[in-house]
Amino acid sequence: KNEVEQSPQNLTAQEGEFITINCSYSVGISALHWLQQHPGGGIVSLFMLSSGKKKHGRLIATINIQEKHSSLHITASHPRDSAVYICAVRQYSGGGADGLTFGKGTHLIIQP
Amino acid sequence: DTAVSQTPKYLVTQMGNDKSIKCEQNLGHDTMYWYKQDSKKFLKIMFSYNNKELIINETVPNRFSPKSPDKAHLNLHINSLELGDSAVYFCASSQGQGVGNTQYFGPGTRLTVL
Repeated sequence: KNEVEQSPQNLTAQEGEFITINCSYSVGISALHWLQQHPGGGIVSLFMLSSGKKKHGRLIATINIQEKHSSLHITASHPRDSAVYICAVRQYSGGGADGLTFGKGTHLIIQP
Repeated sequence: DTAVSQTPKYLVTQMGNDKSIKCEQNLGHDTMYWYKQDSKKFLKIMFSYNNKELIINETVPNRFSPKSPDKAHLNLHINSLELGDSAVYFCASSQGQGVGNTQYFGPGTRLTVL
């Protein structure tokens, strides 16, 4: 069973700061997802990574397969980025389908 | 256009009742999932369906039963509701299975058992 650890659990920062959220997992995976859950509860998929780096607007996600580690970065953070960010991994299952195993989330607050 | 929709959004019911939560996706995906988010906000997979076949079933009580009338729907039936079933339930879908399939989540259904 994969263990997914996120850090920090809680993060409060000032508007404009560069934000980094980390995710580590214990077993080799086929893909890693970064999800965003807003205070209203809805979940949005931000990135799906299997290697390298992806960028979307002010968000950047990287993954190091050898080190079993991924980071989510937010540049020029804004109060509307305040949300819970969740890392989730999918293990390679040789063709069968698996759901995701989730980290416990990082609660981010960006203060104006 | 809502990609993955769930109804109802809120569900309040008494212990012992039987209830259903519906999920529909209009993305043409062939794999759908149910997740439970507990009071500590921790998400956990409950079921997934691929082409109307149950392919995983985590350690979920058999009071919970997924029903898929067609590829676009995966409903969750819960019998004899218990207090511990109170949670937010999320439906999700993806195209295909295995490597590299982004999951799209519904808005969630908040279930409160009194």
